[in-house]
Amino acid sequence: AQTVTQSQPEMSVQEAETVTLSCTYDTSENNYYLFWYKQPPSRQMILVIRQEAYKQQNATENRFSVNFQKAAKSFSLKISDSQLGDTAMYFCAFMKRRVGGGADGLTFGKGTHLIIQP
Amino acid sequence: DGGITQSPKYLFRKEGQNVTLSCEQNLNHDAMYWYRQDPGQGLRLIYYSQIVNDFQKGDIAEGYSVSREKKESFPLTVTSAQKNPTAFYLCAGSQGLTGELFFGEGSRLTVL
Repeated sequence: AQTVTQSQPEMSVQEAETVTLSCTYDTSENNYYLFWYKQPPSRQMILVIRQEAYKQQNATENRFSVNFQKAAKSFSLKISDSQLGDTAMYFCAFMKRRVGGGADGLTFGKGTHLIIQP
Repeated sequence: DGGITQSPKYLFRKEGQNVTLSCEQNLNHDAMYWYRQDPGQGLRLIYYSQIVNDFQKGDIAEGYSVSREKKESFPLTVTSAQKNPTAFYLCAGSQGLTGELFFGEGSRLTVL
């Protein structure tokens, strides 16, 4: 079974600063996906960024980037130039990649509550 | 609009009653999922379905039941056997190719 650990229950930074959220995972699989999801106060889950384990290049989406260290099983999220709208719960998630497609669902960490201060 | 629609958004129930949460999608997703969210616990998988008329238990299936009679619909029944049913429930769908899950807006169930 896979486990995902987010060691920072809560973080707070000033607007425009850069912040890094940590995530480690434990798996014996070699082919998998990793995700960061954002859950703002509306509670709608929104995909922030996705990484395929076989790709060495770190994924980026505008102000959001990841540092994927496969050997260390680490998948941190960096938010640059943070904005008030980035205030939310952030969840790291793991999914085993199945041969032939299909998905057994995501395994989520417990989340990090990020607060952006004005 | 395309998406995952959950209803009702808020639901109250008395102890000992079964309640069914609706989840409908028009994204043509083969796979659908139910997650439960509690404070400080993240999201935990209850049930999932890869195809019509087939579904599998997730990590916390006890006290819950599902059906998948149509591709578009994946209702979740919270039975009286569920010992602590008060929670936020999220339904999601996936094409399975990219792994990405698309979520509904959630249903908040409170047992009085």
